[in-house]
Amino acid sequence: SQQGEEDPQALSIQEGENATMNCSYKTSINNLQWYRQNSGRGLVHLILIRSNEREKHSGRLRVTLDTSKKSSSLLITASRAADTASYFCAPRGSQGNLIFGKGTKLSVKP
Amino acid sequence: EPEVTQTPSHQVTQMGQEVILRCVPISNHLYFYWYRQILGQKVEFLVSFYNNEISEKSEIFDDQFSVERPDGSNFTLKIRSTKLEDSAMYFCASRVGGLYNEQFFGPGTRLTVL
Repeated sequence: SQQGEEDPQALSIQEGENATMNCSYKTSINNLQWYRQNSGRGLVHLILIRSNEREKHSGRLRVTLDTSKKSSSLLITASRAADTASYFCAPRGSQGNLIFGKGTKLSVKP
Repeated sequence: EPEVTQTPSHQVTQMGQEVILRCVPISNHLYFYWYRQILGQKVEFLVSFYNNEISEKSEIFDDQFSVERPDGSNFTLKIRSTKLEDSAMYFCASRVGGLYNEQFFGPGTRLTVL
């Protein structure tokens, strides 16, 4: 299975701190995508990193990908209370569908 | 900015009834997907659709489920005879095409089967 497994399952930090979430997967991928989900709401696409990329930035987000270790990380710098949400990595395999893990539940306290 | 839309936002139905969930993917996208998320659980892939046919489906997507693109804009998921365990949030997603494109998700339809 290409399922992404996020770690930790829950993370609680203070506003202004950085949050790092990790993801591992099992088989080869074409790309890996990170999503955010606020409670009971839809999935918001954050960033896509291709299998031939090692690092990608988007605003306060930094994603890394290590295909040799089959792992990825999402760093949110200078976190805000509005960043409180669940974060999912979703590896994409050759068939195109995304496989989601259980996510990391991030709580940012003001 | 273009976005995927879904209707209705919430659907309540009786067990055994048929439901149709509707999605309007982003207009220039070619690949369409349905996922579901049972409350408190993972987002699960149901089916992918390209060039007017199913390209892949999961074990969840049994004979009770069907998808259709009845016109140039809508993409529908039909559940023929709903069961209690079909209660979930159903998400539609679309992407342009090619290997590297992002999948964009709609806001979801919350289906409650009584």
